[in-house]
Amino acid sequence: AQKITQTQPGMFVQEKEAVTLDCTYDTSDQSYGLFWYKQPSSGEMIFLIYQGSYDEQNATEGRYSLNFQKARKSANLVISASQLGDSAMYFCAMREPQNTGNQFYFGTGTSLTVIP
Amino acid sequence: EAGVAQSPRYKIIEKRQSVAFWCNPISGHATLYWYQQILGQGPKLLIQFQNNGVVDDSQLPKDRFSAERLKGVDSTLKIQPAKLEDSAVYLCASIPMGGRTEAFFGQGTRLTVV
Repeated sequence: AQKITQTQPGMFVQEKEAVTLDCTYDTSDQSYGLFWYKQPSSGEMIFLIYQGSYDEQNATEGRYSLNFQKARKSANLVISASQLGDSAMYFCAMREPQNTGNQFYFGTGTSLTVIP
Repeated sequence: EAGVAQSPRYKIIEKRQSVAFWCNPISGHATLYWYQQILGQGPKLLIQFQNNGVVDDSQLPKDRFSAERLKGVDSTLKIQPAKLEDSAVYLCASIPMGGRTEAFFGQGTRLTVV
């Protein structure tokens, strides 16, 4: 079974609008971490935001926020006020805890295009 | 703090040749990952080391791929012999033990097999 599922291969958003990128995950662990990365066409993986499984509040980092719904096992990324430079691939990832090996899994990604 | 170093950045080889990639993780990071990323896809874990021991190599094609992390620091990933479908970016990442930290990635090695 897939650990991380991203069901939107491609998304378009108008500049200055908000966009939500979907991510669901599968784990039986109680302790885990959820991450979002951005990968522009240059190829580097840029860390955006982190949410711990025990964090009660949704994580926010500038224009990025993570809509964490633990019971539904979803961790959607919300980008507010989209900019042209936000056009990139976005990957959701999960880190499972140390005592089971510290595995780090990625989804298949969502390609975001910001339209001027 | 120096980041994850990978070399070479680019490599073009003919099928059936061998190739090796090198990764030096961030100092003190116990866990090291090698990922294969085919164009348009997400990173696929090939092998994970904790110090110099293998934690997970279930998706490593062991008939042609090998990896080692001697002394628990830098690591080498080798392909021998290469196939056309091995064309991809090979990403190395590392994380420290515990905590809320993300995986830190190197720039990757773009391999083209012709």
